[in-house]
Amino acid sequence: NAGVTQTPKFRVLKTGQSMTLLCAQDMNHEYMYWYRQDPGMGLRLIHYSVGEGTTAKGEVPDGYNVSRLKKQNFLLGLESAAPSQTSVYFCASSSLAGGSYNEQFFGPGTRLTVL
Amino acid sequence: EDKVVQSPLSLVVHEGDTVTLNCSYEVTNFRSLLWYKQEKKAPTFLFMLTSSGIEKKSGRLSSILDKKELSSILNITATQTGDSAIYLCAVAWGFNKFYFGSGTKLNVKP
Repeated sequence: NAGVTQTPKFRVLKTGQSMTLLCAQDMNHEYMYWYRQDPGMGLRLIHYSVGEGTTAKGEVPDGYNVSRLKKQNFLLGLESAAPSQTSVYFCASSSLAGGSYNEQFFGPGTRLTVL
Repeated sequence: EDKVVQSPLSLVVHEGDTVTLNCSYEVTNFRSLLWYKQEKKAPTFLFMLTSSGIEKKSGRLSSILDKKELSSILNITATQTGDSAIYLCAVAWGFNKFYFGSGTKLNVKP
């Protein structure tokens, strides 16, 4: 049971390049999230998904796109990377068990640097 | 504007000390408040609080929610160097969405 995994762990991009971050969870969770964490700013929600085939914007969605074609995977795309997107990206998932809020389980993070 | 504020931003204590971390929130459609510990990588879950005045405990850690004051505290007694981490407070709102505070960085010295 791997929990939440993220690939890659590190990446360096040049301004204008594109990339996709992959998040996978094996806990059969309905909800999945992408956050970015910058120094002194905590975690900010980029996009989230409440189920396969559905996505929604969070606090800071600009410059990012997401897709959830399979329940276990949640992809985060950067079409044209900018230095302001240099950050640590965390994926998380949570379940709908009991119909109430449950804690999120986080992946190990991806450190992205945009030059 | 909804927000979650944690204090202090950082704290240095010695082993054996007791610490209290604070989290206050102004979030519409509040559902629950969660505490996480973040060491070098991913945040790990500590507590989820939904009812006011009920303390949750796990070993040397405990937490309580005050819905009237829109706040929560996290207490750590008899601190150890392994408690050194960033402690994050998050508020669940609306339909399973979360706002996070910026965290309190705790450094426990031997």
